[in-house]
Amino acid sequence: ETGVTQSPTHLIKTRGQQVTLRCSSQSGHNTVSWYQQALGQGPQFIFQYYREEENGRGNFPPRFSGLQFPNYSSELNVNALELDDSALYLCASSSQGVADTQYFGPGTRLTVL
Amino acid sequence: QKEVEQNSGPLSVPEGAIASLNCTYSDRGSQSFFWYRQYSGKSPELIMSIYSNGDKEDGRFTAQLNKASQYVSLLIRDSQPSDSATYLCAVNGGRGGSQGNLIFGKGTKLSVKP
Repeated sequence: ETGVTQSPTHLIKTRGQQVTLRCSSQSGHNTVSWYQQALGQGPQFIFQYYREEENGRGNFPPRFSGLQFPNYSSELNVNALELDDSALYLCASSSQGVADTQYFGPGTRLTVL
Repeated sequence: QKEVEQNSGPLSVPEGAIASLNCTYSDRGSQSFFWYRQYSGKSPELIMSIYSNGDKEDGRFTAQLNKASQYVSLLIRDSQPSDSATYLCAVNGGRGGSQGNLIFGKGTKLSVKP
């Protein structure tokens, strides 16, 4: 177990709806990264938060947004859900200044109908 | 576009054999390299990290890095059925060991037959 937690575990939404996914980072970690993993693919980087600021973003549209809170937990929000948003959403925590090793939470499986 | 390539497999080896997993990457400036194991329906679990050319051993696992050839490999000795999983190669997309994103390959599915 990495100490990274995510909620909910599973979620079913319909096209056009909005969703919020949550992540609590491992104790002592101040950086949270979010990834999307479609079936049969490797995880794809969405964005990273460090000290409540976005610290890099992958090739995802603006309807993917996020937040990091003072306790370093984080949210991923997705608006106007599309069928292709169905995937496993992974949160990874890491610590600035201690190499760049990222530890993943269990993930949230999102299904968009 | 930074890319990480892996043979998708499946790679099938008998129990007790050595499994060899390979990965190439496109960005010559990459500094940090990782191997994750992912069981079906679960999240990736870190196995090894490697930063310098050469070999790094941890138990039954050995990671090998050759920056000149832009090549990373993972050897699993005395393979066990419990090693059956998808192995993801990841490269840090940042520079100089900074907190960058990870770029993943699609993964190699390993099957260890009893």
